[in-house]
Amino acid sequence: GENVEQHPSTLSVQEGDSAVIKCTYSDSASNYFPWYKQELGKGPQLIIDIRSNVGEKKDQRIAVTLNKTAKHFSLHITETQPEDSAVYFCAAILNSNSGYALNFGKGTSLLVTP
Amino acid sequence: DTGVSQNPRHKITKRGQNVTFRCDPISEHNRLYWYRQTLGQGPEFLTYFQNEAQLEKSRLLSDRFSAERPKGSFSTLEIQRTEQGDSAMYLCASSRGGTEKLFFGSGTQLSVL
Repeated sequence: GENVEQHPSTLSVQEGDSAVIKCTYSDSASNYFPWYKQELGKGPQLIIDIRSNVGEKKDQRIAVTLNKTAKHFSLHITETQPEDSAVYFCAAILNSNSGYALNFGKGTSLLVTP
Repeated sequence: DTGVSQNPRHKITKRGQNVTFRCDPISEHNRLYWYRQTLGQGPEFLTYFQNEAQLEKSRLLSDRFSAERPKGSFSTLEIQRTEQGDSAMYLCASSRGGTEKLFFGSGTQLSVL
């Protein structure tokens, strides 16, 4: 099955700065990579995703880049705001038998200070 | 879409008791997933259903755990003879068949004393 590693585990930035979170995966056949945001007491919320036929995808202040050769993908948040503070998880498809079930990284706790 | 609904939000039980959680997926989502999340970790896959069929179980799903989705709509997850190590957030997610986008509920936080 897929193994996903995520770095850093914690990240503190000042409001307005950019934040970058990186993940690596093990299965070269993986082709779908979502990012989730989880706030305290809530379930993970899908914020952006990318498929392996695309190198970069943007949605307002959020972007994801994918390097298939190196088997890593990154989340970029620009012009960070205090409401961006949360735990962010990267993920990849677990295996072909699990109906698109995801394997998650361990998460990055992002703190945006005013 | 009203979102994925999970009940109860919190459950406190004594070791050895049985507990049952319920998940109502987004309507017309034929795939349903159960995950477990412990503090400081990402969600870990437990099992998934396509309609009423349970098609995959993780090795994390011990014999004390059982999940059902009898009519292909809501699902229940039962834990028998709970242990302190079962304390975790139990998350449910659903997706439309043929798509990868998973939508999660807010989870049931289980505390085993």
